[in-house]
Amino acid sequence: GAGVSQSPSNKVTEKGKDVELRCDPISGHTALYWYRQSLGQGLEFLIYFQGNSAPDKSGLPSDRFSAERTGGSVSTLTIQRTQQEDSAVYLCASSFYLAGYGELFFGEGSRLTVL
Amino acid sequence: AQTVTQSQPEMSVQEAETVTLSCTYDTSESDYYLFWYKQPPSRQMILVIRQEAYKQQNATENRFSVNFQKAAKSFSLKISDSQLGDAAMYFCAYRSAAHGSGNTGKLIFGQGTTLQVKP
Repeated sequence: GAGVSQSPSNKVTEKGKDVELRCDPISGHTALYWYRQSLGQGLEFLIYFQGNSAPDKSGLPSDRFSAERTGGSVSTLTIQRTQQEDSAVYLCASSFYLAGYGELFFGEGSRLTVL
Repeated sequence: AQTVTQSQPEMSVQEAETVTLSCTYDTSESDYYLFWYKQPPSRQMILVIRQEAYKQQNATENRFSVNFQKAAKSFSLKISDSQLGDAAMYFCAYRSAAHGSGNTGKLIFGQGTTLQVKP
């Protein structure tokens, strides 16, 4: 498809387990963002990738969270030793940063439920 | 640091009527962008309208328009002739236009306003 693709759409896990969330951005988009949306809340910035530059990890809430972007395309967000407060929708967005104001295009998110 | 505030957690409007959603922001920058995003139950964020801070003219997109008051740091969204399909959560967002490696282009979001449209 032409849009940002995220998988899984829904994930239920037990406390203490590790989870991986995947984002496939729009082809050609150089910038990729991860956001977290807790129930009824706004979007909280987690991490940003731009081309081959070092990622901006300033939004990651703890060292249990990490992300990588392979080959400048697909990104994986990993949460280790999940906690109940990690339950949220994780949204990925991509943009072609140099194009004007660089509109962000969002995926439909991955809903994580930690029991 | 920049912040975005939406003080209306929920709003409702009668179909075909007009509703205004409020947003204020705080920044020391002079050059930036402001956005309104719509998030339906499908969860996918959809860009509704954007405003460049250097432009005095308010942005308009069909039934959607904004009232941008730069000095007051206010950016409200007006939806005219509301339709049932407008029901969603609406987010106001800020993005720095500063150039340089320090600007990630990330969006800073408000808490959102849930809009209900009554038939």
